[in-house]
Amino acid sequence: GDSVTQMEGPVTLSEEAFLTINCTYTATGYPSLFWYVQYPGEGLQLLLKATKADDKGSNKGFEATYRKETTSFHLEKGSVQVSDSAVYFCALSDQNDYKLSFGAGTTVTVRA
Amino acid sequence: DTAVSQTPKYLVTQMGNDKSIKCEQNLGHDTMYWYKQDSKKFLKIMFSYNNKELIINETVPNRFSPKSPDKAHLNLHINSLELGDSAVYFCASSPPGALRNEQFFGPGTRLTVL
Repeated sequence: GDSVTQMEGPVTLSEEAFLTINCTYTATGYPSLFWYVQYPGEGLQLLLKATKADDKGSNKGFEATYRKETTSFHLEKGSVQVSDSAVYFCALSDQNDYKLSFGAGTTVTVRA
Repeated sequence: DTAVSQTPKYLVTQMGNDKSIKCEQNLGHDTMYWYKQDSKKFLKIMFSYNNKELIINETVPNRFSPKSPDKAHLNLHINSLELGDSAVYFCASSPPGALRNEQFFGPGTRLTVL
């Protein structure tokens, strides 16, 4: 079945540092890929998405590129802020399915 | 103008009790979901309804029963609560068509079973 593997956290870094969260997937067919973010005490929000190979999703300074050859969708941000402290979830969905398969989540803490 | 709302936000109850969590969305979406998030933040889908019809029913004990009175509501009823049911439960909704996997989540209901 479809699955997502994310790097384990927690990740702690200083403001203005570079952030990378690795995500790889296993899927049949051509899934759509997503990053969701969960701020403390809140529900998940869609951060960015990509629906086909080589697509780049971007939002709020975050970027991720759909790499079919390495089955990856790594999340990056060049300069993090304290407000980026959250749990980040990589997810995939088969285009014919309603179901999202989530990775285990990576907790990121940014210190001032 | 809350998009996806859940009530209650916190629920503390004794083992063996029956409880319900309500969810409403005002986005005009036709698909709604229930997820369970455990203490390690792992998120797993439980149910999904599309236009009031059940379309996803993962391996969930039959003590959990979803009910969708209309497209804007999806409630979750839990019978005979157990300690292992303690978790945060999230409701979500999504629009039809190609955007159906862009899900909008509610704020969550933290259920504690004592």
